[in-house]
Amino acid sequence: AQTVTQSQPEMSVQEAETVTLSCTYDTSESDYYLFWYKQPPSRQMILVIRQEAYKQQNATENRFSVNFQKAAKSFSLKISDSQLGDAAMYFCAYRSPVQYGNKLVFGAGTILRVKS
Amino acid sequence: GAGVSQSPRYKVTKRGQDVALRCDPISGHVSLYWYRQALGQGPEFLTYFNYEAQQDKSGLPNDRFSAERPEGSISTLTIQRTEQRDSAMYRCASSAQGSTDTQYFGPGTRLTVL
Repeated sequence: AQTVTQSQPEMSVQEAETVTLSCTYDTSESDYYLFWYKQPPSRQMILVIRQEAYKQQNATENRFSVNFQKAAKSFSLKISDSQLGDAAMYFCAYRSPVQYGNKLVFGAGTILRVKS
Repeated sequence: GAGVSQSPRYKVTKRGQDVALRCDPISGHVSLYWYRQALGQGPEFLTYFNYEAQQDKSGLPNDRFSAERPEGSISTLTIQRTEQRDSAMYRCASSAQGSTDTQYFGPGTRLTVL
């Protein structure tokens, strides 16, 4: 079974600075999808960014980018120019190809605190 | 609709009662998923549907939990004879197509069993 590990329970960053959240996963599959979701205090689940494993290019979405290292099974999230609104719990998630099941497997999450 | 909606948003019930949680996916979305999230943890998969067919129910913890999606749109997750350990946030998500599309989450139903 696939597992997702987020080794940083909490991280802090100064406003306007850059922070990187770590995620590693374990799988024997070669084709899969990876996601970062944000959960603010409202407890909504908001998609931040996604990465297809077959793509070598790292995904970017405005101030959010990933460092996808397939061989190392690592998928870190970089947040540039951090803003107070970025404060939230961040979850890394893995999804298999549909023929092996379509569920998301989540890590335990990282709480991100942004200091003004 | 504009997004996934869930009702009720909050449910408090007494141990032993049955509860039904409703999910209304994004219009036109084929796939619908149920997850359960304990406080301070990531969501855990319960079950999912393509149209009205339940494709995977491997995450349902026991036979007190069941789900249906009879017309391929709205889904209901039912918990019978609730227990205190069932207290959690229950989240629904939908996606346009199963294999490649992103799952979009609803606001969740917070269930408290007294």
